[in-house]
Amino acid sequence: GDSVTQMEGPVTLSEEAFLTINCTYTATGYPSLFWYVQYPGEGLQLLLKATKADDKGSNKGFEATYRKETTSFHLEKGSVQVSDSAVYFCALSDRGSYIPTFGRGTSLIVHP
Amino acid sequence: NAGVTQTPKFQVLKTGQSMTLQCAQDMNHEYMSWYRQDPGMGLRLIHYSVGAGITDQGEVPNGYNVSRSTTEDFPLRLLSAAPSQTSVYFCASSYAPAGETQYFGPGTRLLVL
Repeated sequence: GDSVTQMEGPVTLSEEAFLTINCTYTATGYPSLFWYVQYPGEGLQLLLKATKADDKGSNKGFEATYRKETTSFHLEKGSVQVSDSAVYFCALSDRGSYIPTFGRGTSLIVHP
Repeated sequence: NAGVTQTPKFQVLKTGQSMTLQCAQDMNHEYMSWYRQDPGMGLRLIHYSVGAGITDQGEVPNGYNVSRSTTEDFPLRLLSAAPSQTSVYFCASSYAPAGETQYFGPGTRLLVL
């Protein structure tokens, strides 16, 4: 079945540091890939997505590239801010399945 | 659009009590689902629906019931609450079940004593 593996947290960084959160996936079909963000006390919201190989999703300074050859969708940001502190979920949605698959989430803590 | 709304935001129950968590969306989405989120466990799917009148079980359905009489509403019922059901519950919806962005509600925090 489909699965998503993302690095365990928490990831702790200083403000303006470079961020990478790794995400790899296993899927039987050709999935769409997503990063969701959950701020404290809130529900998940879409951060970015990519629907086919080599697509790059971007939003709010975050980027991720759909790499079919390495089955990866790593999240990056060049300079994090304290306001980026949240939990980040990698997910896939396979067109052959009703149920999206989520990773376990990675907590990011950014210190001033 | 209000998006996905959930009520209540917070609830305390005693063991054995019943309650219904409400979820509604105004985006005319066919697919709706319920998740629970527990520390270290990520999101676990409880039940989902691909349209009015159609529901199915997810990963952790025991102790929960659902029905989908309208496109807009997807309530989750706890028939006899147990402390193991203490969690944060999220409702989500999407235009189609596969390949689409999920829109999440703000969550319901449930404490079962």
